[in-house]
Amino acid sequence: IAGITQAPTSQILAAGRRMTLRCTQDMRHNAMYWYRQDLGLGLRLIHYSNTAGTTGKGEVPDGYSVSRANTDDFPLTLASAVPSQTSVYFCASSDRPGPSTDTQYFGPGTRLTVL
Amino acid sequence: ILNVEQSPQSLHVQEGDSTNFTCSFPSSNFYALHWYRWETAKSPKALFVMTLNGDEKKKGRISATLNTKEGYSYLYIKGSQPEDSATYLCALKPGTASKLTFGTGTRLQVTL
Repeated sequence: IAGITQAPTSQILAAGRRMTLRCTQDMRHNAMYWYRQDLGLGLRLIHYSNTAGTTGKGEVPDGYSVSRANTDDFPLTLASAVPSQTSVYFCASSDRPGPSTDTQYFGPGTRLTVL
Repeated sequence: ILNVEQSPQSLHVQEGDSTNFTCSFPSSNFYALHWYRWETAKSPKALFVMTLNGDEKKKGRISATLNTKEGYSYLYIKGSQPEDSATYLCALKPGTASKLTFGTGTRLQVTL
């Protein structure tokens, strides 16, 4: 089934630990995004990638890093997790960045709890 | 940081009622306005993308209008059904190279 997969579905993590959230899409979309969703704050963009080999910072990038080695995969890494990174993380993709309207397709989300 | 506001925050209607909610955004920065539907325990799904002032889009009982001059979009649901229960998000793309800025959503609950 075409779409976006995320792993893990949920995770409880001790503060200070390193964690990588995985995201894979099979739609051959150029652009990919990571959002976090917190109560009352809506979806906030962490990092994005317009095409393989490039990445950019979103609204809330601190404490997170990403890489885009190929079209399909866009992992998000928390180098040293802190409790404020407890959130639900959504990966998304869109066909064309820039002048396109950027309709985005979302993955199922990863619920992360940092203790 | 762009201010994309949605109202009301939540809404509770009876089956068969028609309802509408608002997305407000800075009229000085506009390229496209998206509406997404987000059901509980699922991921957001695109409903509409609107780019022109006066745009109207319709999908079944759901429709949306856009006023870029005054900076708002309305989403209408005619004859609400329980399956319409979801959070409805709007998102602004202010420029061609810009990313989407999401509002916090309107949570709709439709009861029998």
